[in-house]
Amino acid sequence: QSALTQPPSASGSPGQSVTISCTGTSSDVGGYNFVSWYQQHPGKAPKLMIYEVSNRPSGVPDRFSGSKSGNTASLTVSGLQAEDEADYYCSSYAGSNTYFVFGAGTKVTVL
Amino acid sequence: QLQLQESGPGLVKPSETLSLTCTVSGGSISSSTYYWAWIRQPPGKGLEWIGSIFHRGITYYNPSLKSRVTISVDTPKNQFSLKLSSVTAADTAVYYCAIDSNGYYFDSWGQGTLVTVSS
Repeated sequence: QSALTQPPSASGSPGQSVTISCTGTSSDVGGYNFVSWYQQHPGKAPKLMIYEVSNRPSGVPDRFSGSKSGNTASLTVSGLQAEDEADYYCSSYAGSNTYFVFGAGTKVTVL
Repeated sequence: QLQLQESGPGLVKPSETLSLTCTVSGGSISSSTYYWAWIRQPPGKGLEWIGSIFHRGITYYNPSLKSRVTISVDTPKNQFSLKLSSVTAADTAVYYCAIDSNGYYFDSWGQGTLVTVSS
C-alpha cells in the first residue's frame, strides 16, 4: 500500500484540463514543500515534471502546474495533448527516518 | 548533462543477493554534490524508493528494506551500486538509478533494468 493516495485514473479531452490529487499526512506532504511529480510513459523511465510543489524543470511545458493545500498536493495539466497520456506519480520528502514516499500513480487518458 | 545506465543480472535466485551497478557518464561522480539513488517498480505497480548515497558515502535507506540493502560508490569507475540480500519473488521489479540534485527529488533517471527473482 502506497503512502500517498492518488486516484487510479483521470481523463479529459484534448484542450481540456485535468487535475490529479495526491493526499498524504502532516508527516510528508503537509510537513514539507518537497512534493514532486513524475510522468511515465509505458516502458519508459519516469521523468520529473514538477519539483518543490510548483516548480517546473527546464523543458517541461508550462501546461503543467503544481500546488498544495494542507496534506494534499495537486498536479494540473492544462490544454491536454495526446502526448500527455501517461502515468503520473507524486512523491514527497517524509523526514529523516522515512525520507521518500510515492503515490500509487494515476493513469491519465486523453479521450 | 549527467546520464545514467543500470547493469546487472536479469535473473536472481530466491535467497540470493541482487547486485546492480549504475554507470554515470557526462561528469564525475566524485566532483558533484548530488545524491545517487535507487528506486524500483514491480511489474504493473508503483514506485518505491530503495535508498540514496551522498557522494561522501553517507547512505540513507528505506526503513522497510534497510536490513537487506547496501548502496556504495566506486569513484574510480564512476559508478554506484546496489546490493539487496535474501531476495524473494516480491523483489521482482524494474530497478532504476537516479540523480537527486538537492536531496528532495529525482532529476534524472536511468532507463531501468528488470530483475526477476525465480529459481
